[in-house]
Amino acid sequence: AQSVTQPDIHITVSEGASLELRCNYSYGATPYLFWYVQSPGQGLQLLLKYFSGDTLVQGIKGFEAEFKRSQSSFNLRKPSVHWSDAAEYFCAVGGAGANNLFFGTGTRLTVIP
Amino acid sequence: KAGVTQTPRYLIKTRGQQVTLSCSPISGHRSVSWYQQTPGQGLQFLFEYFSETQRNKGNFPGRFSGRQFSNSRSEMNVSTLELGDSALYLCASSLKGTQETQYFGPGTRLLVL
Repeated sequence: AQSVTQPDIHITVSEGASLELRCNYSYGATPYLFWYVQSPGQGLQLLLKYFSGDTLVQGIKGFEAEFKRSQSSFNLRKPSVHWSDAAEYFCAVGGAGANNLFFGTGTRLTVIP
Repeated sequence: KAGVTQTPRYLIKTRGQQVTLSCSPISGHRSVSWYQQTPGQGLQFLFEYFSETQRNKGNFPGRFSGRQFSNSRSEMNVSTLELGDSALYLCASSLKGTQETQYFGPGTRLLVL
């Protein structure tokens, strides 16, 4: 069965500190992986995606993620967090034959000055 | 290009009523997917439409239905509303629907009293 696990419900980091948000997935076929960000009351904005090729992918706002097939993980990283990064982050997995995404439960990021 | 638009942005209904939500995809996109977001269940896939045909469906009761018009605009309908239908309903569009990025609208927040 397809599923996505984001083990951290809430993370607090200081502005300027590095960030890593964890994502583990279970998918029976070749996964397509996404990270989305959601600000309060807003829709989802795509940060980055992995379909194939280089396992380290760069996204918007200075985010990157690394696909590790052996660990079924797709962790999101940012070297230096800004106060404006405070939001909820969702990892999602999809497949080649369908357009339905399976989302994790999200990680809420708080940034303290 | 304009993004995905959803109307209305907010709705208040009472139990037993029905509601129709609208989604206009990005120009040129032919696939529209709908998701329900609640604090308890997170983000869940409802259904996807492509070229006016439902191509994929999530695990929701028949009270949830949708359709897509020839201009790719989509509507979803929920009949006999229940309190548990209170949620943020997100629409996403993509060009063809498979192996692609989905772009999300801001959502319609539905409150059922």
